[in-house]
Amino acid sequence: ETGVTQTPRHLVMGMTNKKSLKCEQHLGHNAMYWYKQSAKKPLELMFVYSLEERVENNSVPSRFSPECPNSSHLFLHLHTLQPEDSALYLCASSQDRASYGYTFGSGTRLTVV
Amino acid sequence: AQSVTQPDIHITVSEGASLELRCNYSYGATPYLFWYVQSPGQGLQLLLKYFSGDTLVQGIKGFEAEFKRSQSSFNLRKPSVHWSDAAEYFCAVGNYNQGGKLIFGQGTELSVKP
Repeated sequence: ETGVTQTPRHLVMGMTNKKSLKCEQHLGHNAMYWYKQSAKKPLELMFVYSLEERVENNSVPSRFSPECPNSSHLFLHLHTLQPEDSALYLCASSQDRASYGYTFGSGTRLTVV
Repeated sequence: AQSVTQPDIHITVSEGASLELRCNYSYGATPYLFWYVQSPGQGLQLLLKYFSGDTLVQGIKGFEAEFKRSQSSFNLRKPSVHWSDAAEYFCAVGNYNQGGKLIFGQGTELSVKP
């Protein structure tokens, strides 16, 4: 257990569904991140939240909508996804910027059918 | 722009043999450098990190890495590989002034032969 918990671990959804991924950290960190990991591709940074404010959005399609209600929780709301969105979605947190490295959750394996 | 290159997509070593995974970065200033490991179906676990000081850093699970500024490299080493080391390894570079963004290499998959 890393201190960063992601739920669900696996998710299968249709292209017309709406679902949400949840990430929770109990490390007292101030920054949280969503990464997408597709097969044979480098990790892609999607969103960065620092002190509950979004500080970066890396040209992610609007069908992905993040939410950070407090410093311990991060959500990724999904709607009208495409099959190419199937991937492992990883949440991470850090104490402050990149200085301390990230602590990752185990990820949510998303399959869009 | 920052970038990280891991030249080897897949490496196979025999159990007990030594290991070196290569990582080259492109960055204008002194970067923060990291190695992570990912077992199948799991998230990434931090092995070690370099910020400043001694260029040879020790990490968990018997791994070490050496920062070589002249070669823009941060290679990961282990003197004797165990079967449980089979996993994917990611090198990453970060910059404090860029808001906590880590840039990852594409990863090196390590297989261990009995």
